[in-house]
Amino acid sequence: QQQVKQSPQSLIVQKGGISIINCAYENTAFDYFPWYQQFPGKGPALLIAIRPDVSEKKEGRFTISFNKSAKQFSLHIMDSQPGDSATYFCAASTTGAAGNKLTFGGGTRVLVKP
Amino acid sequence: DGGITQSPKYLFRKEGQNVTLSCEQNLNHDAMYWYRQDPGQGLRLIYYSQIVNDFQKGDIAEGYSVSREKKESFPLTVTSAQKNPTAFYLCASSMRSDRGQPQHFGDGTRLSIL
Repeated sequence: QQQVKQSPQSLIVQKGGISIINCAYENTAFDYFPWYQQFPGKGPALLIAIRPDVSEKKEGRFTISFNKSAKQFSLHIMDSQPGDSATYFCAASTTGAAGNKLTFGGGTRVLVKP
Repeated sequence: DGGITQSPKYLFRKEGQNVTLSCEQNLNHDAMYWYRQDPGQGLRLIYYSQIVNDFQKGDIAEGYSVSREKKESFPLTVTSAQKNPTAFYLCASSMRSDRGQPQHFGDGTRLSIL
C-alpha cells in the first residue's frame, strides 16, 4: 500500500516558469517531510524539508507548502531553470522505536525547456 | 569530504549467484539504509540499521541479507533467492534521533543479470 502519493508523474515547464509537485499522505504519524532531487545515474540529494508545525518553508527558489488538515504538501520551484531538470521525490518519515524510516512518493520527472 | 561511497558502480550477476554491494560512510552516522529503485519508480526500503550489530527488515527484504559489524559499513547481499534483482540500489545514512532526520545517499550500484 503506497502511503505517499505524488503527482504529476511528469511535467514540462518553460524556463522562468513555476513547477508545482503535489504529495498526499495517509499516516498521521508522519512527522518529517523532505524533498529530494535526483539526476540520472546519481543518488537523491536532499533539497528542502519541513516539519508539521510549520505551514511553509522557503529556500531560494524552492518552497514547501504544508497543509496538515488535508494531509498534503507541495513543492514549488520558482523561476525554473534548465539545470532544474531532474526527478523529484517527496517523502515522509516516522520516528520512534522503529527508527527513522522514509516512505517515498513515486517521483515526478521535471523538464525545463530553454 | 564526508559522504557515502557505494561500490561497484555496475555489477552483473549470474543465475544462482550471490553478490555483495558495498556501502561505506564517513559521516559518523549511526543509522544506515538500503533502498531499491526500479525504472520510473520511487525508492523502496530493503533493510535498515539503527546501530552496530542490529538491523531490521524493510518493506521488500525477501531475497536480501545485510550485516552491520562496523559503524561505517553496511554491505548488502543479493542472494539467488531474489528472482528479480535487476535494479538501482541506493545506500543512505542519517543521524539517529527521536525526530525525523535527513538521509544522505550514495550514488548507487546498478545491478543487472547476465
